[in-house]
Amino acid sequence: GAVVSQHPSRVICKSGTSVKIECRSLDFQATTMFWYRQFPKQSLMLMATSNEGSKATYEQGVEKDKFLINHASLTLSTLTVTSAHPEDSSFYICSARGGETHYNEQFFGPGTRLTVL
Amino acid sequence: SQQGEEDPQALSIQEGENATMNCSYKTSINNLQWYRQNSGRGLVHLILIRSNEREKHSGRLRVTLDTSKKSSSLLITASRAADTASYFCATVLISNFGNEKLTFGTGTRLTIIP
Repeated sequence: GAVVSQHPSRVICKSGTSVKIECRSLDFQATTMFWYRQFPKQSLMLMATSNEGSKATYEQGVEKDKFLINHASLTLSTLTVTSAHPEDSSFYICSARGGETHYNEQFFGPGTRLTVL
Repeated sequence: SQQGEEDPQALSIQEGENATMNCSYKTSINNLQWYRQNSGRGLVHLILIRSNEREKHSGRLRVTLDTSKKSSSLLITASRAADTASYFCATVLISNFGNEKLTFGTGTRLTIIP
């Protein structure tokens, strides 16, 4: 149990376009989802925390108008990178937490590699 | 800013040897977790140690926690080629909104030489 998926696994887009990444909890209801960004050979940096049905809480320095997060259901959160630029190229990882048995542990998705040309 | 710093940044050992990685942090924590990440993949949760625990075992993994020194270590015994990966410690703080917030360390890249 406790499987989290992400789609797509890889995406290449042109500068100026928007990209949407989906994060799904497959076998539990995720009351909280987290979005991280990881640059090559670096650690994961938390971008934002989203609770189902409410606005996401962004970490300092993360532009909420650029990284739109929607947690519309207990199994799905989306991250939209708007007007993407080459510096947004990174590995984006989501995690999910929730349910009766997974309320205090985060389960991570496999990540999405974004390349902006 | 990074809560945790790990050392060494990179470690190469022969298969069968033990690997030890260390993590230091700066603030009070609720618990500390260790994760493994294979290249270009997501994270795999290895073990969680609570702030009131000093040592924990899981298979070939042994984790220690010293809250007075704000440090933790991960020991992998009898290493295998499949253990080659990056290892991250993550400290857990309770945020202002009641969420448990993971803050990751800088990671150790472990290479097991067959």
